[in-house]
Amino acid sequence: DADVTQTPRNRITKTGKRIMLECSQTKGHDRMYWYRQDPGLGLRLIYYSFDVKDINKGEISDGYSVSRQAQAKFSLSLESAIPNQTALYFCATSDSTGFGNIQYFGAGTRLSVL
Amino acid sequence: AQSVTQLGSHVSVSEGALVLLRCNYSSSVPPYLFWYVQYPNQGLQLLLKYTSAATLVKGINGFEAEFKKSETSFHLTKPSAHMSDAAEYFCAAAKFGNEKLTFGTGTRLTIIP
Repeated sequence: DADVTQTPRNRITKTGKRIMLECSQTKGHDRMYWYRQDPGLGLRLIYYSFDVKDINKGEISDGYSVSRQAQAKFSLSLESAIPNQTALYFCATSDSTGFGNIQYFGAGTRLSVL
Repeated sequence: AQSVTQLGSHVSVSEGALVLLRCNYSSSVPPYLFWYVQYPNQGLQLLLKYTSAATLVKGINGFEAEFKKSETSFHLTKPSAHMSDAAEYFCAAAKFGNEKLTFGTGTRLTIIP
């Protein structure tokens, strides 16, 4: 089983709909992240959480919200989806020991907003 | 703000040839540096990381990268390309004490048989 699991893997939705992407991890890590990947732009950080009570905006948080329901679960919501939120979304985790910690990624959720 | 630049969005090499993927970072303080690989329809996985212990870093699948402070570079190399190396490669940096990663825009590597 994957250590970082994202659901769904693919989703098509319509403009204006609310959608939630879910991420769960079995690595026991404190830190979790949401990124979006667009062709030619690499990965950009949307939100991150260093523990259950800590939520921080990344560089492109507008139009998104998150919830850290438990250490192992971190959900990303699009309150009112728009076409330019069509992208590949990744969840990642890292532990909190030391510095320069490796981030471990899920397989991604491909979202299309029509 | 820290930035990471990957020169060349697409690189093609022949099977058995040298692979060289370029990465430069902008930071007055050498950051932690990473190379990640993304195979089709998969998430990113770590190839190697630099954390100041040694300037030449060896990773998985025969890849290595050399940190050059004077050039603010962290280029990825592999002596002999294999068909299975075809993927997208991302360079990333994190500032000391800050675990957020800044990614480059990626380089898609194609291997020519």
